[in-house]
Amino acid sequence: DTEVTQTPKHLVMGMTNKKSLKCEQHMGHRAMYWYKQKAKKPPELMFVYSYEKLSINESVPSRFSPECPNSSLLNLHLHALQPEDSALYLCASSSHPSRTGIYEQYFGPGTRLTVT
Amino acid sequence: RKEVEQDPGPFNVPEGATVAFNCTYSNSASQSFFWYRQDCRKEPKLLMSVYSSGNEDGRFTAQLNRASQYISLLIRDSKLSDSATYLCVVRVPGNNRKLIWGLGTSLAVNP
Repeated sequence: DTEVTQTPKHLVMGMTNKKSLKCEQHMGHRAMYWYKQKAKKPPELMFVYSYEKLSINESVPSRFSPECPNSSLLNLHLHALQPEDSALYLCASSSHPSRTGIYEQYFGPGTRLTVT
Repeated sequence: RKEVEQDPGPFNVPEGATVAFNCTYSNSASQSFFWYRQDCRKEPKLLMSVYSSGNEDGRFTAQLNRASQYISLLIRDSKLSDSATYLCVVRVPGNNRKLIWGLGTSLAVNP
């Protein structure tokens, strides 16, 4: 089973709000990711957690704050967002290498965020 | 030159047709390659990892040509449900976690 769940499915927030996106996986994966995807573009990597430690931050503005409470959960805290931050936010996790040494990433359904 | 390049399409094919997508990558040190499919307003789903020897999964066949630095995806006997965007993805050499994504090729299978 390669299931990654995300809540909420949709979120509308004002520029002064604080909200959080949540992601959960029970596949025993030890790397989890946040991506942002705009329409007709590929996903853009934001953050990577490896063994519950932040290993990659792709120069993301501080209004996005990730958190990894445990190996199954990943949060993205949002504060003072701008309308241009409206996008599909995708969580992913990656398996241990298969027999071929390939790390495969599996995506959740995403949270569609609209900032007004 | 872009790191991963794909023909954006759209490819319009009738049901039952065979369709092939190619993707080129610029870094000869790349080691891991993937095809994802993405339906409109949905998440990317891993279709296949591409192995050096090539691999097949039902109607889908993926090939890797290291000499020419391209990856291909062949879909046989196309179904209406194959209509989607197909994304070619390459892992950043030396980094297990970072992927480079092509812009995707759009496929429409028509009745």
